Amino acid sequence: GAGVSQTPSNKVTEKGKYVELRCDPISGHTALYWYRQSLGQGPEFLIYFQGTGAADDSGLPNDRFFAVRPEGSVSTLKIQRTERGDSAVYLCASSSGGAGGNEQFFGPGTRLTVL
Amino acid sequence: DAKTTQPNSMESNEEEPVHLPCNHSTISGTDYIHWYRQLPSQGPEYVIHGLTSNVNNRMASLAIAEDRKSSTLILHRATLRDAAVYYCILRMYGGATNKLIFGTGTLLAVQP
Repeated sequence: GAGVSQTPSNKVTEKGKYVELRCDPISGHTALYWYRQSLGQGPEFLIYFQGTGAADDSGLPNDRFFAVRPEGSVSTLKIQRTERGDSAVYLCASSSGGAGGNEQFFGPGTRLTVL
Repeated sequence: DAKTTQPNSMESNEEEPVHLPCNHSTISGTDYIHWYRQLPSQGPEYVIHGLTSNVNNRMASLAIAEDRKSSTLILHRATLRDAAVYYCILRMYGGATNKLIFGTGTLLAVQP
């Protein structure tokens, strides 16, 4: 079946602009996660949704970052007033539940470059 | 969150077994041990997880120490396709969040 998909695969923007990154999770998965990965580092947690609500947004670095999942399926990560330090690969993952034993399925990521 | 410690890099020869170690001395009773790997230019991929007993699946085996302070991921016959960064992660069961906290992992190189 279809895996997690993310669009766009690459996004180049200028400092100060607004960007939206989209994630389509595996159908039926109630849990959705956003991570970001800088070069040479492991992925860093940003936010976790269970259904439509953000159950844990402790990883969002500041109020320029916001994410929504209005119908409990597709999610959008929104970044306002982008800065060069926001350049990274943004990864989305989904899982069938929130319990500690459930594996997360990752998408291929969106590479964001802020010039 | 409890931390894990892994070697930065390891090398293996093709078709030989690989043992990837992970130390997690501050693990709590409710922490699962998860392994993910990340191939170049791809998102992480689940490999295996366990709680107390050793686990086997089609990809690998997970050997967990009796005191749970360490574990070893075993690839029985390494292939070139197994070259990746391997992450050992502790994940609390039943917590309010189910995030994965990645370290820098072990970069596995497989020589033909």
